[in-house]
Amino acid sequence: GAVVSQHPSRVICKSGTSVKIECRSLDFQATTMFWYRQFPKKSLMLMATSNEGSKATYEQGVEKDKFLINHASLTLSTLTVTSAHPEDSSFYICSAREGGQGNYGYTFGSGTRLTVV
Amino acid sequence: AQTVTQSQPEMSVQEAETVTLSCTYDTSESNYYLFWYKQPPSRQMILVIRQEAYKQQNATENRFSVNFQKAAKSFSLKISDSQLGDTAMYFCAFSSNTGKLIFGQGTTLQVKP
Repeated sequence: GAVVSQHPSRVICKSGTSVKIECRSLDFQATTMFWYRQFPKKSLMLMATSNEGSKATYEQGVEKDKFLINHASLTLSTLTVTSAHPEDSSFYICSAREGGQGNYGYTFGSGTRLTVV
Repeated sequence: AQTVTQSQPEMSVQEAETVTLSCTYDTSESNYYLFWYKQPPSRQMILVIRQEAYKQQNATENRFSVNFQKAAKSFSLKISDSQLGDTAMYFCAFSSNTGKLIFGQGTTLQVKP
């Protein structure tokens, strides 16, 4: 089946630094990828939608300059948290939509736990 | 805007029994898809079952089945013969022509031995 690899699984960074999270579709081309944020025992909140070769579409309330998304190829999307602060600490999950399955097939990465100290 | 509502924050069931998780949604779209995802303590999202809105027949996957009531905008998940490994957080989700997958608040299910 379709596999999405997300790295790193855990990262600790100092306040004020930036951290990059990668999301790769391993065996399919993902024209669209999604980035979610999840607080403990809460739902997944959609942050942005990234399409290969174009600018990401951010959800209302998500700071574009803080959460930089790049979808440079059909298999890779990255989320960079810039100038991270403790309130950015969270669990981030990516999802890729399998081409040809339309709105029917979504595969998730294993998530990244970000801790900003 | 589409919304997904899960009104049961927590549920518990005895092993081998049956439990039903509720989900309602709101949309003006006519063609859409509905999903149930499981998130165990590992936090990996696992697809449990999915339903296309234009299909009247309720989807079934082994011990998991749904009751899809389109007019009522209801999409409940029934887990039969509950197993300890079913303990997880369950999310109802919706997608339509925007491609976005929108999640409900989640229901934490505890299967008790």
